[in-house]
Amino acid sequence: ELKVEQNPLFLSMQEGKNYTIYCNYSTTSDRLYWYRQDPGKSLESLFVLLSNGAVKQEGRLMASLDTKARLSTLHITAAVHDLSATYFCAVDPLNTGNQFYFGTGTSLTVIP
Amino acid sequence: EAGVAQSPRYKIIEKRQSVAFWCNPISGHATLYWYQQILGQGPKLLIQFQNNGVVDDSQLPKDRFSAERLKGVDSTLKIQPAKLEDSAVYLCASSLVSQGKTEAFFGQGTRLTVV
Repeated sequence: ELKVEQNPLFLSMQEGKNYTIYCNYSTTSDRLYWYRQDPGKSLESLFVLLSNGAVKQEGRLMASLDTKARLSTLHITAAVHDLSATYFCAVDPLNTGNQFYFGTGTSLTVIP
Repeated sequence: EAGVAQSPRYKIIEKRQSVAFWCNPISGHATLYWYQQILGQGPKLLIQFQNNGVVDDSQLPKDRFSAERLKGVDSTLKIQPAKLEDSAVYLCASSLVSQGKTEAFFGQGTRLTVV
């Protein structure tokens, strides 16, 4: 059974601090996605990581992928309140025809 | 570019009743997905269509759930009869492979409450 695990599940951090969310997965894959979900809203695509060693940055968020370790990270730099949301990683296993298996989610609250 | 459209946004039904959800994907997107998101969890894939054919429905509870995608565009997901544990948000997504990359775009979802 494919598992996609994120930690922490809940994260409360102060504005201006840095932190990293981890996404571990149990299958072979070279494609990983990060999504953001605000309460009551749908999922918004943040990053698409397509190969080992891929790194993408947008504003205060940076995502990376290590396919050998089956690990992706989402690093938050100098957090601001607007980043409060739930973050999901999703894995597209090899040879499954473009499917997305989601992690458990990390609920982030940035405190002023 | 218009996004993925879903309706209704909210639905409350009694257990053992039937319900149907509708999805209109982004124009030109061949792949369509239905996901179930239970409160506090990540989305779980129910069924994936490629044009009007089913690619994967291994996690669809076929005794009560059904889905179709006529003409390879719009799709409907039906639950009959509904159970209390079907209370969730049902998300539709569509994707297109472009430049070796697949990216899924999600609709607003339908929030189902079974009482």
